[in-house]
Amino acid sequence: DAGVIQSPRHEVTEMGQEVTLRCKPISGHDYLFWYRQTMMRGLELLIYFNNNVPIDDSGMPEDRFSAKMPNASFSTLKIQPSEPRDSAVYFCASSMTQDQPQHFGDGTRLSIL
Amino acid sequence: QQQVKQSPQSLIVQKGGISIINCAYENTAFDYFPWYQQFPGKGPALLIAIRPDVSEKKEGRFTISFNKSAKQFSLHIMDSQPGDSATYFCAARGDNYGQNFVFGPGTRLSVLP
Repeated sequence: DAGVIQSPRHEVTEMGQEVTLRCKPISGHDYLFWYRQTMMRGLELLIYFNNNVPIDDSGMPEDRFSAKMPNASFSTLKIQPSEPRDSAVYFCASSMTQDQPQHFGDGTRLSIL
Repeated sequence: QQQVKQSPQSLIVQKGGISIINCAYENTAFDYFPWYQQFPGKGPALLIAIRPDVSEKKEGRFTISFNKSAKQFSLHIMDSQPGDSATYFCAARGDNYGQNFVFGPGTRLSVLP
């Protein structure tokens, strides 16, 4: 079974550049989540989708962050413009239903110089 | 009220020993308590989970103990092995928050050979 697939695994870019993180959830999973993990703040939920529709984006830190899910098999998290404080590991997770556990991808390690 | 507190921050255990990680919560609406295990460079993976209608759940060497009145739950790893060295996160979710998990800050476990 293919798990949640994230790309790229690592991204290093300069401040001010646009960053796009990609996620392919597990087929058949109706829920998709974007998390950010840092040493200081731990795991934070940024946004989640149900059937491709954003349900709660209250965790998105600023307007510089945006997320889309154009279809059931693909989602993007975009940061524009990026700042050094956005450096973190970003995880995508998916689950089949509300009662099923979340399956995480291996994350994208983002470094903004 | 949505916080989950976790201790200790780090833990060193000898091979064969028992590792114990504790979590506490405030919100009585939480009704699902999973534990996640995360290895370096990987996403968190569900280890074991419990609902408040039982006081204990065991899967192999891993046991969750749940104290509903104290609003506390703990993970016990029996016969700890070097391969158990990872970061462990407790989490909580309640119906009032839909799919929004609240994660503890994590415990870094090192099992010495």
